[in-house]
Amino acid sequence: SYEVTQPPSVSVSPGETASITCSGDQLGGKHACWYQQKPGQSPVLVIYQNTRRPSGIPERFSGSSSGNTATLTISGTQAMDEADYYCQAWDSSTFVFGSGTKVTVL
Amino acid sequence: EVQLVESGGGLVQPGGSLRLSCAVSGFNFNIYFMDWVRQAPGKGLEWVGLSRNEENSYNTEYAASVRGRFTISRDDSNNLMYLQMNSLQTEDTAVYFCTREYFYGMDAWGRGTTVTVSS
Repeated sequence: SYEVTQPPSVSVSPGETASITCSGDQLGGKHACWYQQKPGQSPVLVIYQNTRRPSGIPERFSGSSSGNTATLTISGTQAMDEADYYCQAWDSSTFVFGSGTKVTVL
Repeated sequence: EVQLVESGGGLVQPGGSLRLSCAVSGFNFNIYFMDWVRQAPGKGLEWVGLSRNEENSYNTEYAASVRGRFTISRDDSNNLMYLQMNSLQTEDTAVYFCTREYFYGMDAWGRGTTVTVSS
C-alpha cells in the first residue's frame, strides 16, 4: 500500500521560514494536500492540489511539489502557526495521510 | 455557513456495531463527495472511506483496515451521511470526523464524534 513520510518535528523561530516535507513514490502526481491541526480542534485544509491555497488561508502558507516530494512552507512564521501538520495524497482510489509533523515556534 | 455535525458515537464492546451520522448544512450536499476520517487518541489522521455523489453512482471506497466491516451510505434528500461500523475492534477506538471533499482535499470538517471500543 502507498505510504507518505513526514519528519516528526520541525522547529522555527518567529518570523523565520518553516519547511515541512512529505515524501512518497511519484507524490507530485498524487494531488498532495496539507492540513493544520491545533490541539483539541478539527484539521484545517491549508494547501490542496500541491500548490493551491483555500480562501481564508494566509498567504504565508505555500505549497510546492516535485518528483517524490511535496513541501509546505510557512513564511514569516507566527506563534499561532504552532500546530501539527499532515500531508495527504490520493493513490489507487484511497487517501493516505502522513504521520504528521509537529511545528514548534521557539 | 458550512456545517457538518457528527453524532452516534459511544462505548461499544468488541465485536459490536455502531452507526454514526453526519448532518450537513450550508452547501449543496448532493454534488459533493464525502469522507470519513478518524483519529485514535494521541495519534495521527487515518482516512476511513468515501462516498461519491449521485452522478458517480454513490460509489464508495474504503481503507484496507475497515473494508468489509464498515459501510458508508448517504441520504441526499435529508443531507445526511452514515457510517455503519460492524465487528468493531479495540483499534477502531477514535474520534470520527465527517468531511467534505474538494479537489482531492477535505475542505470542511465536523467536530467529530468519539467511538470507544472496550469491554
